[in-house]
Amino acid sequence: ETGVTQSPTHLIKTRGQQVTLRCSSQSGHNTVSWYQQALGQGPQFIFQYYREEENGRGNFPPRFSGLQFPNYSSELNVNALELDDSALYLCASSGGWGDEQYFGPGTRLTVT
Amino acid sequence: GNSVTQMEGPVTLSEEAFLTINCTYTATGYPSLFWYVQYPGEGLQLLLKATKADDKGSNKGFEATYRKETTSFHLEKGSVQVSDSAVYFCALKGYGGSQGNLIFGKGTKLSVKP
Repeated sequence: ETGVTQSPTHLIKTRGQQVTLRCSSQSGHNTVSWYQQALGQGPQFIFQYYREEENGRGNFPPRFSGLQFPNYSSELNVNALELDDSALYLCASSGGWGDEQYFGPGTRLTVT
Repeated sequence: GNSVTQMEGPVTLSEEAFLTINCTYTATGYPSLFWYVQYPGEGLQLLLKATKADDKGSNKGFEATYRKETTSFHLEKGSVQVSDSAVYFCALKGYGGSQGNLIFGKGTKLSVKP
C-alpha cells in the first residue's frame, strides 16, 4: 500500500510568482486536506477536498486554491506569493472527510 | 471556536526520565483528540488518539487519557529514549460539515540526552 506522497520536496519562488504543489493520496482514500506549517508553529488547515469538491476551508485568502482529480490526487495553487507564504505545506489523505488523516512528508516552500 | 493549547518547549530530558506534555482544549460538542509526532525533516505521524471521554490512547509506550472534566489530553511516557526526540503536537477534530479538519497546538519540542 502506497502512502501519501508530495512533490516537489523543496522549491524556492520569488514574491509575486505562482506555485503549484501536488499530492497523491493513499490508495483507497477519497479525501485530501492541505495544511500550512510555518516555522516553529503547528499546522494550520487550508482546505479539504472530498470526492473532487471543496469540503471546508480555513482562514486563508482566495489566492490559495485547490483541485482534486478523479483519481483523488490533489493540487494546491498559491498565486501572488508573499514572503509569509514560506512554510512547510502538508497534505493528508483519509478514507472519508471525518476519518483518520495520514500525512505526507510535505513540501518546503521558500519565498524570497 | 475550537482551539488547542499545549505546553511550550523545548523540553530536555535525560534518557529513562518520565515525560509529561500538557495539552488542554476548547471545543463544542465531543471532539476526537490526537497526538502527532514530527521527526526532523519529516511529516506528521499519528502517535495515538482517543475519541470519547475517559478513553486512553496508547502507542510505543506513550499514553494519553481524554479528560472531559478538565478538557485535557496530556501525553505521558514512563521512560523516554533518545529516539523519542521530536516535536509533539496535540490536535482535535470536531464533527459535521467542515469540522473534519484537524486543529493543532503549536507543538512541543522534546530533546532526550543519553
